[in-house]
Parts: sequence; C-alpha cells; structure tokens
Amino acid sequence: EVQLVESGGGLVQPGGSLRLSCAASGFTFSSHEMTWVRQAPGKGLECVSYITTTGNSMYYADSVKGRFTISRDNAKNSLYLQMNSLRAEDTAVYYCVRIDGYSFKYWGQGTLVTVSS
Amino acid sequence: DIQMTQSPSTLSASVGDRVTITCRASQSISTWLAWYQHKPGEAPKLLISRASSLESGVPLRFSGSGSGTEFTLTISSLQPDDFATYFCQHSGRLYTFGQGTTLEL
Repeated sequence: EVQLVESGGGLVQPGGSLRLSCAASGFTFSSHEMTWVRQAPGKGLECVSYITTTGNSMYYADSVKGRFTISRDNAKNSLYLQMNSLRAEDTAVYYCVRIDGYSFKYWGQGTLVTVSS
Repeated sequence: DIQMTQSPSTLSASVGDRVTITCRASQSISTWLAWYQHKPGEAPKLLISRASSLESGVPLRFSGSGSGTEFTLTISSLQPDDFATYFCQHSGRLYTFGQGTTLEL
C-alpha cells in the first residue's frame, strides 16, 4: 500500500524557517517524481514545487521561488521542503504527492503550516 | 503560463441531479487534464486523468470529456457522498489547478 506521511509543520513567525519531510513507503520511491501541493485557508490547490526522480531537476511556483527548496533522499525514501523567509500567505496545509503520468494519484494527509506572530 | 478557469464556482444541486462542471484552459492543452474531488479534512482524490480516463474504483456516474481548451466533468446522478469541491488540473509540467467548484446541497 502506498503511504506518504508528512511531518514538520507547525507555527512559525514571519521570516522564519521550517523543513517539511515526507516519508514514503509501499512503492519504489526512486522511480517517481514527487511534488508538494498546498492549500491555503479558503483557497484552491497550488503546486509549489516538484522534483524529478534523481533530484537533478526541480520546479518552483513563482510564489515560493528563491525561498523554498525541494530535495529528496532516495536511499531514505524521503522528500523534503525547506521553507525560508516564510510569509503569512504561506499559511496552508502542505501535501506530499506522488506524480503518476502527470497526475497526482497518491497524496499524504497533509501537514499544517501556520505563519503568524 | 497556462491558466485554468472553472465554472461555476459554486453549484447547488440535489441528490439524483445530473451536474456538469466546466474547465477552460487559456491555451490548448490537448487532453492533459485531470479532475480531483476534495472533501474537508481529507486529501484530494484523483477521479479522472487524460481528460476522460476514469481512475480505478471511481463510480461510473463520474465522466470527463473535452480536449484543447474546454473540458467538462459530469456526475450523472448525484449521490450524498458527492457533495465536495472539485478541481481541474492541467497535468502538464506546471500542474496548474483551477480555482475549484463547490458542489452543495
């Protein structure tokens, strides 16, 4: 069974940093591109970043470019999102998602990030 | 960047109704479109990929159609479990989502 379990969310002050982690199991992690998708309160879904299987190529939404860094450790079956210079508008539930044929079939349950003073 | 626009934003319906949600792309995306169902407190669920391919386990009352710039998600006979928010997504390299359509009673 495919499982994606996020951790690392919480309350952080504006300008602060957080590192999200996603532990993957039940599939060959190194064979799948991965992405982080977020949903701010009352808003829609936004793909903030994705990473190729080897980690050699990454994409970032304009809203997080230069502040967030996605990475992966295929030996540890783990995906990460380093979030720096956090803003109130980064407050959201962040989902770890496996990419299958350009669709997002498997999602974690999400971790809440709240940026507030 | 390709923009995805859904309509309507909110749709009021009753059990047994046939409903259609529309998604328009700002430029042609062939059939690179997916539909998701999202309920509060849950992870989104992939319903349809490549515009019309129903995911395994998704009830047959859900169907998708379209290509190019205009797409539709149809639920043939609404069930109580279907009241949720639905998102379309350009399943190309930028994975842009529509703003969502909330289906309410």
